[in-house]
Amino acid sequence: AQSVAQPEDQVNVAEGNPLTVKCTYSVSGNPYLFWYVQYPNRGLQFLLKYITGDNLVKGSYGFEAEFNKSQTSFHLKKPSALVSDSALYFCAVRDSEGQGFSFIFGKGTRLLVKP
Amino acid sequence: GAVVSQHPSRVICKSGTSVKIECRSLDFQATTMFWYRQFPKQSLMLMATSNEGSKATYEQGVEKDKFLINHASLTLSTLTVTSAHPEDSSFYICSARKGALNTEAFFGQGTRLTVV
Repeated sequence: AQSVAQPEDQVNVAEGNPLTVKCTYSVSGNPYLFWYVQYPNRGLQFLLKYITGDNLVKGSYGFEAEFNKSQTSFHLKKPSALVSDSALYFCAVRDSEGQGFSFIFGKGTRLLVKP
Repeated sequence: GAVVSQHPSRVICKSGTSVKIECRSLDFQATTMFWYRQFPKQSLMLMATSNEGSKATYEQGVEKDKFLINHASLTLSTLTVTSAHPEDSSFYICSARKGALNTEAFFGQGTRLTVV
């Protein structure tokens, strides 16, 4: 069965410090991986995706993610965190087995950046 | 860009009534739209996949007679929660895929449904 795991419920980081939000996955075949961010009572905003190519993917708002096939990971990173980055982050993988190729989401990680 | 508009953003209804939620792709045609439900502090759970002009495909455990989905055009899908009960209170989010299967999906802003 395909799945996405985000092992941390919450990540705390001081403003200006680097941040990492972890994600591991289990899929059949090649993974199509995504990161989304959700602000309170809002939908999801796309940050970045990995389909193929370079393992380091750059996305919106200064975020990047590194695809590691051997570790089946796709951790989200940012060199210098901002207070405004505080939100709920979801890692997702395209469901290659279901109807319509929807997304399978991790449970989400709340990022709290303190000033 | 690709914008998905979901309406209403918040709705409060009485138990036993029905509520319709609209999901529109404003600047692209979406052959496939998805409806998710999000419980507090939990992830998004796929409810159904909606293809334009055909019946929606529901995930296991989702009552198709309760959550009616209509995808009448390439830019509009609707979710109707029929005979709503307090346990249907939740955050409902739609998404639409713009093109090829490996593209990202774009999400509506969500609808907070409260059934009293």
